[in-house]
Amino acid sequence: ETGVTQSPTHLIKTRGQQVTLRCSSQSGHNTVSWYQQALGQGPQFIFQYYREEENGRGNFPPRFSGLQFPNYSSELNVNALELDDSALYLCASSLERGANTGELFFGEGSRLTVL
Amino acid sequence: QKEVEQNSGPLSVPEGAIASLNCTYSDRGSQSFFWYRQYSGKSPELIMFIYSNGDKEDGRFTAQLNKASQYVSLLIRDSQPSDSATYLCAVNPLSGGSYIPTFGRGTSLIVHP
Repeated sequence: ETGVTQSPTHLIKTRGQQVTLRCSSQSGHNTVSWYQQALGQGPQFIFQYYREEENGRGNFPPRFSGLQFPNYSSELNVNALELDDSALYLCASSLERGANTGELFFGEGSRLTVL
Repeated sequence: QKEVEQNSGPLSVPEGAIASLNCTYSDRGSQSFFWYRQYSGKSPELIMFIYSNGDKEDGRFTAQLNKASQYVSLLIRDSQPSDSATYLCAVNPLSGGSYIPTFGRGTSLIVHP
């Protein structure tokens, strides 16, 4: 069984640039959620994709966007980077999106630093 | 705003003691409740989930849920230094027709020998 993989693991960008983070979900999982985790904070929900459709969105501006592909892998795009975007970005896959969803399988994350 | 509240700690306990971690949540519509462990520099991993009021035991871990009080806790018996980590509480409120796992800020646990 293949786990959740994310790339890149670390990256450094400057203000105003754009970044794309990638995630391959665990085999058999059709739901992908993205979280932002700042230092010392809990993961903050960005959005969730279920079968290629956005299924929910947290309190993030439109410059945060995403995609899910037919193989259920996913991308997170952030435009016009700001210093406060520096964080660990976590991708998590799950089997379904129902009331008992919450058994999330996380990748190791992408550490983004914005200078 | 659907909130999950945890004391950030750190909670320090001696080896062999019981560690008690607490979490409150604001959305009464939340259906399921989860505890994740996150070691420093690593991603969260699920250790317990609970759906019904009462206690659920798994090895040294016991999750307790009280929906009337909107309270969920995690007890770790016979705490070990390897249990030192941040423990994240997550709940599943209904938001816009979907259940979205929402996390607290986490409680840092330190188990000292």
